[in-house]
Amino acid sequence: KNEVEQSPQNLTAQEGEFITINCSYSVGISALHWLQQHPGGGIVSLFMLSSGKKKHGRLIATINIQEKHSSLHITASHPRDSAVYICAVKRGTDKLIFGTGTRLQVFP
Amino acid sequence: DGGITQSPKYLFRKEGQNVTLSCEQNLNHDAMYWYRQDPGQGLRLIYYSQIVNDFQKGDIAEGYSVSREKKESFPLTVTSAQKNPTAFYLCASSIPPTGTTDTQYFGPGTRLTVL
Repeated sequence: KNEVEQSPQNLTAQEGEFITINCSYSVGISALHWLQQHPGGGIVSLFMLSSGKKKHGRLIATINIQEKHSSLHITASHPRDSAVYICAVKRGTDKLIFGTGTRLQVFP
Repeated sequence: DGGITQSPKYLFRKEGQNVTLSCEQNLNHDAMYWYRQDPGQGLRLIYYSQIVNDFQKGDIAEGYSVSREKKESFPLTVTSAQKNPTAFYLCASSIPPTGTTDTQYFGPGTRLTVL
């Protein structure tokens, strides 16, 4: 079993829909990262969380440390949000452990 | 503009040949990383370096080698000993992971195909 599990693996949506991507992990962590990988392959860091909630524009990330679960929400989705969203966790000062990603396609 | 560059974007090599992937950063970060990405799998760490002239093996170092002679540069050599080298390779850098605030900045990646 992977230490970081994401769901769903694939997600399609119509423009304007509210989107939720989930990440569950099985180890104790010091931080959780949400990353976005564009179709060309480049990766951008969206959020780093250790507790609570963060918001940036239409993106919201939450984490529940007790339940070992995080969610990434996209409000008013747009075709340019189409990408692979990757969850990664960090244990102390150890390396990052990555999930396999959620492929999101938003259609006009 | 500060960032990480990887070149080339696409690389083709014949089986049995060594190939070196370039990674350069001008973010003044001490730590640099090499990851491999395969379809259906999460990124896997190949090697990392927290300071010049020092580097450590990651989870899948066999068949790879690195050097860190300069802070800005962390080239990865894929040797003929790597059994399945065709993959997408990503380089990243960060401020040293002494705490939890080490966001990693990624390069655009190099897609290596071994024929």
